[in-house]
Amino acid sequence: NAGVMQNPRHLVRRRGQEARLRCSPMKGHSHVYWYRQLPEEGLKFMVYLQKENIIDESGMPKERFSAEFPKEGPSILRIQQVVRGDSAAYFCASSKASGNYEQYFGPGTRLTVT
Amino acid sequence: DQQVKQNSPSLSVQEGRISILNCDYTNSMFDYFLWYKKYPAEGPTFLISISSIKDKNEDGRFTVFLNKSAKHLSLHIVPSQPGDSAVYFCAAWGSGNTGKLIFGQGTTLQVKP
Repeated sequence: NAGVMQNPRHLVRRRGQEARLRCSPMKGHSHVYWYRQLPEEGLKFMVYLQKENIIDESGMPKERFSAEFPKEGPSILRIQQVVRGDSAAYFCASSKASGNYEQYFGPGTRLTVT
Repeated sequence: DQQVKQNSPSLSVQEGRISILNCDYTNSMFDYFLWYKKYPAEGPTFLISISSIKDKNEDGRFTVFLNKSAKHLSLHIVPSQPGDSAVYFCAAWGSGNTGKLIFGQGTTLQVKP
């Protein structure tokens, strides 16, 4: 029963480096969502993707952040030139269809920027 | 603009008693409300949901109540067990909202043996 997979689980980057976070959705799921949880806060929506399409990126910071979900392979959340404020837990979730409210979450990637 | 709010950061109850976690929302267009449970260093796990056209949904020890007029929902856990100790997030979903979940800040539940 393969759930949502995320890697790496922990990522340490120095300020100015790039961070790449990967997410493989559950089998049979073609919709991927990325959320960020800052310390002591709830999860905040970042971006919603289907295969090869960005459906909603209203929660993405305007600069340095990008996401993709190619036809083959995992979804990637990319953060360029990381800053200390990017330190957070990044969670990926997947669902079967666009009208499906049930989203299943991966274990998260904990990004630490030093 | 916090559309979903959990005003109690923490709750402590005795094993075997009832735990009641509360959540308020502002947007009357939400279609579903969900509760997730989260352990440290893990992702949120789906617990139970309720449609906006219902006022109660029950699954084993977990019951969610929805009061639409008050824009309030609550999660009841009876009886509470030490393994229930975790952070509980309330989330809302709307079909007109491109499918994203909007989360509250979370309530940390501690169940004492």
